[in-house]
Amino acid sequence: KNQVEQSPQSLIILEGKNCTLQCNYTVSPFSNLRWYKQDTGRGPVSLTIMTFSENTKSNGRYTATLDADTKQSSLHITASQLSDSASYICVVSANSGYALNFGKGTSLLVTP
Amino acid sequence: EPEVTQTPSHQVTQMGQEVILRCVPISNHLYFYWYRQILGQKVEFLVSFYNNEISEKSEIFDDQFSVERPDGSNFTLKIRSTKLEDSAMYFCASSEAPQGATDTQYFGPGTRLTVL
Repeated sequence: KNQVEQSPQSLIILEGKNCTLQCNYTVSPFSNLRWYKQDTGRGPVSLTIMTFSENTKSNGRYTATLDADTKQSSLHITASQLSDSASYICVVSANSGYALNFGKGTSLLVTP
Repeated sequence: EPEVTQTPSHQVTQMGQEVILRCVPISNHLYFYWYRQILGQKVEFLVSFYNNEISEKSEIFDDQFSVERPDGSNFTLKIRSTKLEDSAMYFCASSEAPQGATDTQYFGPGTRLTVL
């Protein structure tokens, strides 16, 4: 069964600090891995998309890494801002179809 | 910047009633999707739609559900005979290309469905 597991479940950091969120998946056959940011009560917004051949992708202060061998990904946030407070969701797509497999997300709170 | 829109933002209905959730995808997009998120849980894929037919659907998308693109702009999700467990946030999304490609899906703000 395709699964996407994220850790930690929640995280609190001080404004300006860096943090790293983790994602492990068992989706097969693998197509691509995406990180989304979801503000409370809003739809997810895409941050990065990586295919099997890519091992890192940046979008501003967000940098995602992918290790397709160990089926792990991380999202690193640099110099956090209060507006980074949101849920960060790892999403993995299988080659076989259109369905996205969502993780439960990491809830990040950035405090002043 | 173009965006996906959804109406209504909140729908309250009685158990057993039918509801139609509406979405206007981004105008040049060809692929459309519905997802749901039960409060406190992860987002779940329901269905994808291309060229006026369903491309893929999850096991959640049973005979109670149907989708339609009634005109050139709207994409609807119909839930027949709603159940309490249908209460959730329903997200519509669209993309230019299928998500098997590395194409971004753009999500709408969601419709919160409450079944009483």
